[in-house]
Amino acid sequence: EIVLTQSPVTMSLSPGEKATLSCRASQSLSSTYLGWYQQKLGQAPRLLMSDASNRAAGVPARFSGSGSGTDFSLTISSLEPEDFAIYYCQQRGSWSPITFGQGTRLE
Amino acid sequence: VQLFESGGGLVQPGGSLRLSCTASGFTFSTYLMTWVRQAPGRGLEWVSAISVGGTSYYADFVRGRFTISRDNTRATLFLQMDNLYAEDTAVYFCARWPPNSFFDFWGQGTQVTVS
Repeated sequence: EIVLTQSPVTMSLSPGEKATLSCRASQSLSSTYLGWYQQKLGQAPRLLMSDASNRAAGVPARFSGSGSGTDFSLTISSLEPEDFAIYYCQQRGSWSPITFGQGTRLE
Repeated sequence: VQLFESGGGLVQPGGSLRLSCTASGFTFSTYLMTWVRQAPGRGLEWVSAISVGGTSYYADFVRGRFTISRDNTRATLFLQMDNLYAEDTAVYFCARWPPNSFFDFWGQGTQVTVS
């Protein structure tokens, strides 16, 4: 099983600041197999990033992703009020099983 | 694209439920589909997936108890859940899974409570 560890667990920032969220995999992973989701309270998750760095349709340009091997990151260049949410990374490189990180709460 | 889950509810330990996910706005038969759950106050947990051809995949903690299936003529995904445990209490989401990609559209979820 590929374990994804996200850090920090909670991040406290203000609108306008830059956020960098980390996702570390327990074994090397092709960037093709790493995605990011955003979830707001009481809502379904929303796909933000596929293949580590490709923004999903409608995702603002202030969101960017990067990384390779075991270390991946999601950056929000200048936080907007609607960006405060929980963010999850997910791997699809191994289907036994598909795994998510435990999440980073951006507050 | 719309996905609508139904069938959740309150069930006793050892009981069964059948979840449905009705899809619209896309050609259902050409997509993998998946179930993901979220226990109260917890993160996302992948449960099961089914290929276009009907091959099923499961997380270890549900294998042998849950069965995923699909009816392409009705554009509906199912999750038959048997021998439920209290730990299966969660919101269950269905999601669309395009080839070589990630879960790009999600339903709003259905609550399952085992107590």
